[in-house]
Amino acid sequence: NAGVTQTPKFQVLKTGQSMTLQCAQDMNHNSMYWYRQDPGMGLRLIYYSASEGTTDKGEVPNGYNVSRLNKREFSLRLESAAPSQTSVYFCASSEWGGRNEQFFGPGTRLTVL
Amino acid sequence: QKEVEQDPGPLSVPEGAIVSLNCTYSNSAFQYFMWYRQYSRKGPELLMYTYSSGNKEDGRFTAQVDKSSKYISLFIRDSQPSDSATYLCAKSENRDDKIIFGKGTRLHILP
Repeated sequence: NAGVTQTPKFQVLKTGQSMTLQCAQDMNHNSMYWYRQDPGMGLRLIYYSASEGTTDKGEVPNGYNVSRLNKREFSLRLESAAPSQTSVYFCASSEWGGRNEQFFGPGTRLTVL
Repeated sequence: QKEVEQDPGPLSVPEGAIVSLNCTYSNSAFQYFMWYRQYSRKGPELLMYTYSSGNKEDGRFTAQVDKSSKYISLFIRDSQPSDSATYLCAKSENRDDKIIFGKGTRLHILP
């Protein structure tokens, strides 16, 4: 099992460009999450999907959109990238919500110039 | 006030020492408590998990929860250089809710 995979691993964008970060899990988990991690700020939840067909905003949703494509895949889209979105993005999944272990992907390092 | 507070460190201790990492939280509704470990340039991974007050031990690691004072601790005995990482405490209110992470404490174990 690959666990949680993320693509791409690295990306450089110019301000105003758009891109989609892809995430897939092969553990048959119901819940999936997108976080960003910045120095001194810890992990902050952007969006999450408690189950297939549902998505909810987290702590820092502005500037992002998500799609739960199916049970395996959860994508994060930046419609018009800004320098403030320079960060490391992590996708995670868990069997069900908060009482279960979250498994994290390797992260995507995004730089917006 | 952030719901989960954690000293960012860095914390440097000599190899073999006992390490104490701490978190406080503000919402008494939290029921589930976790410690995640994150190595440099990697995703976090679950280290310890508990949903009650008291101690939980796993090898060299002990997680302690004091719900009356809203305090969570992680103790590492016989610390090793391989324990050098960032440790994030995390809490969740209920089974289907999201997890709230602390900012993480960077730990360096000096050989």
